Amino acid sequence: AQKVTQAQTEISVVEKEDVTLDCVYETRDTTYYLFWYKQPPSGELVFLIRRNSFDEQNEISGRYSWNFQKSTSSFNFTITASQVVDSAVYFCALSELLSGNTGKLIFGQGTTLQVKP
Amino acid sequence: KAGVTQTPRYLIKTRGQQVTLSCSPISGHRSVSWYQQTPGQGLQFLFEYFSETQRNKGNFPGRFSGRQFSNSRSEMNVSTLELGDSALYLCASSFGGSVEETQYFGPGTRLLVL
Repeated sequence: AQKVTQAQTEISVVEKEDVTLDCVYETRDTTYYLFWYKQPPSGELVFLIRRNSFDEQNEISGRYSWNFQKSTSSFNFTITASQVVDSAVYFCALSELLSGNTGKLIFGQGTTLQVKP
Repeated sequence: KAGVTQTPRYLIKTRGQQVTLSCSPISGHRSVSWYQQTPGQGLQFLFEYFSETQRNKGNFPGRFSGRQFSNSRSEMNVSTLELGDSALYLCASSFGGSVEETQYFGPGTRLLVL
């Protein structure tokens, strides 16, 4: 069955430290998509990145980078030089063709990141 | 382009009552999905609508229902409220709702059942 695991419940770092958020997924499908969302205290989920199962290239966007490894079923997220504004709950999510070609995201439990000044 | 909007933002109800939540998708988006977020269960998929048809449903009791209108706006209804229905209800939209599309979320409706 499909599943997303974010083993880190809470992480606390001091500003300017680098931090990596882990995400491990399970799926029987060969076609699937992985997402990262950020949820600030206001509650809205903010989209960060989407990656498909056929593209294992790592991606960098400013201070954010993502490492996708199919061999270990992981899609980790690194924030370089963290800032207080990065404090939020981060969710990793999976969508797969086997679940029906419709909008159904399977979320991990989320990682709460606290960046202290 | 305006984002996904949800109304109301906050709601307090008592057990046994029913509630209706509303979601307006991003202009041009025809797929609307609903999710429930609780501290214990996390984010769980409720259902997805496209062109006024429910195409996918999560593992929730029949007290949870929804519908979509011809303008793609969607409502979800919870009847006979229970304390455990207290949650943040999030709505998301995408153009066609297919598996590869990114879903964009609204600010949510916080429901408290007393």
